[in-house]
Amino acid sequence: DAKTTQPTSMDCAEGRAANLPCNHSTISGNEYVYWYRQIHSQGPQYIIHGLKNNETNEMASLIITEDRKSSTLILPHATLRDTAVYYCIVRVAVVGGTSYGKLTFGQGTILTVHP
Amino acid sequence: NAGVTQTPKFQVLKTGQSMTLQCAQDMNHEYMSWYRQDPGMGLRLIHYSVGAGITDQGEVPNGYNVSRSTTEDFPLRLLSAAPSQTSVYFCASSRSGPGYEQYFGPGTRLTVT
Repeated sequence: DAKTTQPTSMDCAEGRAANLPCNHSTISGNEYVYWYRQIHSQGPQYIIHGLKNNETNEMASLIITEDRKSSTLILPHATLRDTAVYYCIVRVAVVGGTSYGKLTFGQGTILTVHP
Repeated sequence: NAGVTQTPKFQVLKTGQSMTLQCAQDMNHEYMSWYRQDPGMGLRLIHYSVGAGITDQGEVPNGYNVSRSTTEDFPLRLLSAAPSQTSVYFCASSRSGPGYEQYFGPGTRLTVT
């Protein structure tokens, strides 16, 4: 799986957008970009994923550059409950085999949302 | 749906003891996995299963055994606990195939003295 690079920590004011970058310059054409977060030692929570196109759901938006070498997770209106460690993960997308489920977690970005 | 459940929530073992961490899911997911998380670190994959009767090793399998006799359950066995196995253990499940998100349990906090 491709390696990802994220900033160690970021701050954001409550109500503002939080933009979390991720570099995955060695990503392959058959690999998804996934984002998970972990709030205070709870189990990780899925946020969003994408392959080539930008994606949006009720939690966040994912912007993937055209060359797919980097992406940004956007939390449009951050709240105090969004304070967590955010993990950017590259995951194989091919059908078949058993490696599709493996998630390689790095250190992630500690996002702190301030009042 | 209860989602992914794990028992116990906390456990203290002495070196050399054995135990089984339980994991169950009620979403009929074929894929299940076990991760461990050491303080200040990301999660690391121990073992995984793509269906009943099929298991495989992850990144850090030594000292752990798994079996998958049913779709719902995926227990993790510590054969002879060591202090290096002090960690938080998370179980996860998902539908089969790429492109599906994984659902994680609340974790079991294990201390080996």
